[in-house]
Amino acid sequence: AQSVTQLGSHVSVSEGALVLLRCNYSSSVPPYLFWYVQYPNQGLQLLLKYTSAATLVKGINGFEAEFKKSETSFHLTKPSAHMSDAAEYFCAVSEGQAGTALIFGKGTTLSVSS
Amino acid sequence: DTAVSQTPKYLVTQMGNDKSIKCEQNLGHDTMYWYKQDSKKFLKIMFSYNNKELIINETVPNRFSPKSPDKAHLNLHINSLELGDSAVYFCASSPLGTLSSYEQYFGPGTRLTVT
Repeated sequence: AQSVTQLGSHVSVSEGALVLLRCNYSSSVPPYLFWYVQYPNQGLQLLLKYTSAATLVKGINGFEAEFKKSETSFHLTKPSAHMSDAAEYFCAVSEGQAGTALIFGKGTTLSVSS
Repeated sequence: DTAVSQTPKYLVTQMGNDKSIKCEQNLGHDTMYWYKQDSKKFLKIMFSYNNKELIINETVPNRFSPKSPDKAHLNLHINSLELGDSAVYFCASSPLGTLSSYEQYFGPGTRLTVT
């Protein structure tokens, strides 16, 4: 069975500081990994995805993530936080077959202070 | 030009009532899903449909019944609503046959409050 663990339910950074949100996964098959962002009272928006191509994946809004098989990790980073990055971030894993469910982590709330 | 839409956005109702949430996607996708987000923001799959046929039916009370009249629509009907059904329900869709089929596109959610 697949699972996702997001370390840190709440991360606080200052504007301009590095953002690091941690995600570890468990999967018996090669995983497909995703980061989604949820702004207050909105749906989920895809930030980036890993689908077995390049291990360093670039997404929208300056975010990127690196797939590390040896560490079973897919951490999300952004070099310089912006106030508008404050949101809930979800890491998710899929078996990669069309139509299968996304298995989500419990989410990390990112707060950005000025 | 909304990709995945849900109605209503907010739904407040009393225990014991029956209610429906509608979902439509205009992306031409073949697969649609319902997820439930609880008060702690945890997201869990409920159902998925591929071209109007049920693929995934997680351990969900049979008071919940999805209906897919065509591949662009997936509605969720809930009978005899209970307090524990209060949550945000998200509809999503994904295409088939390409690498992009592994990602899902989410609607804005329906916040259901049962009193």
